[in-house]
Amino acid sequence: DIQMTQSPSSLSVSVGDRVTITCRTSLTISSHLNWYQQKSGKAPQLLIYSASTLQSGVPSRFSGRESGTDFTLTISSMQPEDFATYYCQQSYSIPWTFGLGTRVEIK
Amino acid sequence: QVQLQESGPGLVKPSQTLSLTCTVSGGSISSGNYYWSWLRQPAGKGLECIGRIYPGGSPKYNPSLGSRVSVSVDTSKNQFSLKLTSVTAADTAVYYCARAGGEWQRLGAFDAWGQGTMVTVSS
Repeated sequence: DIQMTQSPSSLSVSVGDRVTITCRTSLTISSHLNWYQQKSGKAPQLLIYSASTLQSGVPSRFSGRESGTDFTLTISSMQPEDFATYYCQQSYSIPWTFGLGTRVEIK
Repeated sequence: QVQLQESGPGLVKPSQTLSLTCTVSGGSISSGNYYWSWLRQPAGKGLECIGRIYPGGSPKYNPSLGSRVSVSVDTSKNQFSLKLTSVTAADTAVYYCARAGGEWQRLGAFDAWGQGTMVTVSS
């Protein structure tokens, strides 16, 4: 299985802060990296697919980047509705696997 | 707008079989280029892919579940299903059905989800 190392596991930020979450994969995965947001008690929602393509309807403050086996999700200016847990997922090889998540809390 | 809804028992006894169905509305399960998938999430933990099926194709499963899992599709009912045999407490989780893209750029990106259903394995 492809291993996903997501960091940090949690962070406390304020509204308006810039947030960066990193996911490192154990193999190169040809941009098959997706990001999700999950709020408590809800199903995850797709934010970004193919490493950097914004899903329809997702605000432009979310962006994704790829550099080799390192992937980043950036929220340019945290909004109150963005406090949630974020997951990366590789869809390059079966089984598709997720990172352990990053919980973003209000400072 | 496609919608997915899981259904099935919320309580399963150890060693028995967990059976869930996902009903798809707002679109045909046979149209488009999608994998229909099952995932799960134990309380307070991360997400795990269980298996997926492409209508007309062979299902693919997470090897960690061995031969305990099977996923099938019923296109006439616009549904797909999960069976997990010989369950233990470790199978207690929220189970989600979801749709994943099949074409290259969207491959494996889960763009539609059910609300999730809690399944507890307990006697």
